Amino acid sequence: SQELEQSPQSLIVQEGKNLTINCTSSKTLYGLYWYKQKYGEGLIFLMMLQKGGEEKSHEKITAKLDEKKQQSSLHITASQPSHAGTYLCGAATNTGNQFYFGTGTSLTVIP
Amino acid sequence: DAMVIQNPRYQVTQFGKPVTLSCSQTLNHNVMYWYQQKSSQAPKLLFHYYDKDFNNEADTPDNFQSRRPNTSFCFLDIRSPGLGDAAMYLCATSEGLAGAYEQYFGPGTRLTVT
Repeated sequence: SQELEQSPQSLIVQEGKNLTINCTSSKTLYGLYWYKQKYGEGLIFLMMLQKGGEEKSHEKITAKLDEKKQQSSLHITASQPSHAGTYLCGAATNTGNQFYFGTGTSLTVIP
Repeated sequence: DAMVIQNPRYQVTQFGKPVTLSCSQTLNHNVMYWYQQKSSQAPKLLFHYYDKDFNNEADTPDNFQSRRPNTSFCFLDIRSPGLGDAAMYLCATSEGLAGAYEQYFGPGTRLTVT
């Protein structure tokens, strides 16, 4: 089965600081997704990466997928309280029939 | 405008009493997914439909069933809920299979079993 490890498990940062969340797999990732979830709510799609070396940015969030397609990072620049929540990476198997989420990273941003 | 709608948002049921959770979509997507998310854990895929084709995850308990009467609706039936089935249940849709298409999630239904 596909397993996705995220690090760190939780993160507390001061507002304005940069931070990085990592997502690592022992197998090749097919369609790496990043989602954000606020407590008790559904998942909000952030970005999807498919190609090795791909990088995407939206506002202050940048996601990268390494060349081997086994590791992805999510970087937030100048964090704000609105960035607080749990960040989840997710990936599909090569057939697309199964989808796995990472272990999650809980982010707290202190004003 | 809501695209993936889940009803109810909160559901309380008694141990062993069948319960049905509902999901509807306005996106006309081919694929609909059901995930179970327990407290402080990542969502876990239970099953998905590609059109009418049902795909069950190998470790999804038999207690969980699903129905998709048409493109727009998908139901999760829990035949005999146990205390361990208390969780957030998330519905998601996508245009095609995971890996190539974004999944759109509903707000979830939080199930309590008493």
